Amino acid sequence: ILNVEQSPQSLHVQEGDSTNFTCSFPSSNFYALHWYRWETAKSPEALFVMTLNGDEKKKGRISATLNTKEGYSYLYIKGSQPEDSATYLCASGPRNDYKLSFGAGTTVTVRA
Amino acid sequence: GAGVSQSPSNKVTEKGKDVELRCDPISGHTALYWYRQSLGQGLEFLIYFQGNSAPDKSGLPSDRFSAERTGGSVSTLTIQRTQQEDSAVYLCASSRAGPANEQFFGPGTRLTVL
Repeated sequence: ILNVEQSPQSLHVQEGDSTNFTCSFPSSNFYALHWYRWETAKSPEALFVMTLNGDEKKKGRISATLNTKEGYSYLYIKGSQPEDSATYLCASGPRNDYKLSFGAGTTVTVRA
Repeated sequence: GAGVSQSPSNKVTEKGKDVELRCDPISGHTALYWYRQSLGQGLEFLIYFQGNSAPDKSGLPSDRFSAERTGGSVSTLTIQRTQQEDSAVYLCASSRAGPANEQFFGPGTRLTVL
């Protein structure tokens, strides 16, 4: 199992502020990096799947970048809104294996 | 179309009893995964199935846990002689083949062992 780490564990953001947090993963044998949003009492939902070094993906006010050589990904939330409050999970998938290794998540709380 | 469904949504059982948790994946998804989240913990991989290949059982915490997938579709996770530490939310996910395909998660089964 790959060692995927996320930091910080939690953060509080004022509504309207922007924020970002990190996912680090072993760069050897890397194939894919996933980001999921997990809201309370709901199922995790996929935000992005990235495979190429330098990939940048965007969905509304949320974006992500990927550096496969150094083994990290950033998730950015621009102009945070209360509905962005959730736990954000990243997961790394190695080559030739379907099994993802999940980080423990970053829990974001947006204060109105 | 229909998403991943799981049943039951909640299960309360007594220590020592067996339980079965069911997952119906999205039609056409060849990969199926089971995870669990214990209180205060992250998402823990349990087992995955890919097509007709032998399942990867490397995440099962003990031999009390087993899973099967019939006809490449529905999967059942069985926990025998449940213990209190088995209390968790059990999530099922499915995806198209390959680690670069997003996983679609079911609503989960909350298992409480008294």
